[in-house]
Amino acid sequence: DAGVTQSPTHLIKTRGQQVTLRCSPKSGHDTVSWYQQALGQGPQFIFQYYEEEERQRGNFPDRFSGHQFPNYSSELNVNALLLGDSALYLCASSFPGGKGYGYTFGSGTRLTVV
Amino acid sequence: DQQVKQNSPSLSVQEGRISILNCDYTNSMFDYFLWYKKYPAEGPTFLISISSIKDKNEDGRFTVFLNKSAKHLSLHIVPSQPGDSAVYFCAASSIQTGANNLFFGTGTRLTVIP
Repeated sequence: DAGVTQSPTHLIKTRGQQVTLRCSPKSGHDTVSWYQQALGQGPQFIFQYYEEEERQRGNFPDRFSGHQFPNYSSELNVNALLLGDSALYLCASSFPGGKGYGYTFGSGTRLTVV
Repeated sequence: DQQVKQNSPSLSVQEGRISILNCDYTNSMFDYFLWYKKYPAEGPTFLISISSIKDKNEDGRFTVFLNKSAKHLSLHIVPSQPGDSAVYFCAASSIQTGANNLFFGTGTRLTVIP
């Protein structure tokens, strides 16, 4: 049984560009959350998607947007990239209505903005 | 503002001994606490959690203690094994900020010496 799958694993973008990161949740999970982990920091909550809608959002600007598809997979989009957006982006899926204790994290996408 | 703090970036323990990882929080509204373990190139893995209505929760070699008056929790691993070597993150959530929004500490790197 595959866990949470994220793609790509690494990518490099130029400041001002746009990027899309993808996440496939664990089988049986329908809720997807995205976290940003800057170097030396703990993960920070970006937002959560459930039933194809953004259910909750952390303290991130509108440049960060997302989408959830009918098959529960999700995308994270970041526009007008800044150098400070360089980080590991983690996707976590959970059971219906699941909370943090039910999270399964992917191994992340390492984004470098130059 | 870091609401969850792990003040020890690293900890080294001999195999078979007890490992104690500490975590402090500032937001008195937090009502659910979790510990995650992270190996290199992998996403965080849920380890153990505790609700604010309890002061102790055990799962095998892992025990989490919660001291609400001191806003402090700790993770005890007994006995420590080399496979426990990883980065440990403390996380917290509250109904007010949204149970899906986990606030993470910066992590403690545990090294268990054979």
